[in-house]
Amino acid sequence: GAGVSQSPSNKVTEKGKDVELRCDPISGHTALYWYRQSLGQGLEFLIYFQGNSAPDKSGLPSDRFSAERTGGSVSTLTIQRTQQEDSAVYLCASSRDNSGNTIYFGEGSWLTVV
Amino acid sequence: GNSVTQMEGPVTLSEEAFLTINCTYTATGYPSLFWYVQYPGEGLQLLLKATKADDKGSNKGFEATYRKETTSFHLEKGSVQVSDSAVYFCALSDSSYKLIFGSGTRLLVRP
Repeated sequence: GAGVSQSPSNKVTEKGKDVELRCDPISGHTALYWYRQSLGQGLEFLIYFQGNSAPDKSGLPSDRFSAERTGGSVSTLTIQRTQQEDSAVYLCASSRDNSGNTIYFGEGSWLTVV
Repeated sequence: GNSVTQMEGPVTLSEEAFLTINCTYTATGYPSLFWYVQYPGEGLQLLLKATKADDKGSNKGFEATYRKETTSFHLEKGSVQVSDSAVYFCALSDSSYKLIFGSGTRLLVRP
C-alpha cells in the first residue's frame, strides 16, 4: 500500500501474555519510529530506527519492551508479560530519512490488556 | 528538557467561526515546529510545519507562524467547518527525527 501499514488494528490480551505488533513502513523510507498514545500521557516516543545504525531505544518504558527491524523494512514491537498500564494505541511512522523529511504515521494498533 | 504545551480542550465552535489553538514550546536551539491532526478513526496526519523563526506554515485554510520571541506556534483558521472536527497536536523536533508532542486539543465544530 501507499501508507504505513500496521497490524493488528486491535488486540485484546490477558495480563501476563506477550504481544507482537507489526509495522510495514512506506517503501523506500529508511527511518522508522514507534510512538505510544495513551490516555493521560499523550504521545510518547518509544524507539527509532535509521538504516543500519544502532536504534535509539531511549523511549522504551521498561525492559519488557523491545523492537526489531528486519532487512531495513518491517518492524516488530514486542511487549512481554503485558500489564494493564500497557493498554494504549501503538503508532508506527516512517520517513524518507532523518534529515527533517515529513514523518508519516500509520493508523495504529489499539492494545487492550485485561 | 524540551516540551510542548497546548491549550486544553475540548474546543467547541459553530461552523464558520474563527479558530485559535494555542501552542507554546520550550527548547534549546532552533527546533522545527509542526501541527498534526487526527480525524476520528484515522491516523495522525501532518497538517503544516515551519522550520525557522517567522516562517508561516499553511494548509487547508489553517495557518501557524513560528514566533521565536514568544516561543509560540498557534494554529488558526478563519472559518471552520464540521469536517475540521478532530484532535490537533502541536509538536517540535529538535534533532531532525524525534518528535515531541503536546497533549492534543479536541475540536468539535457544530453545524
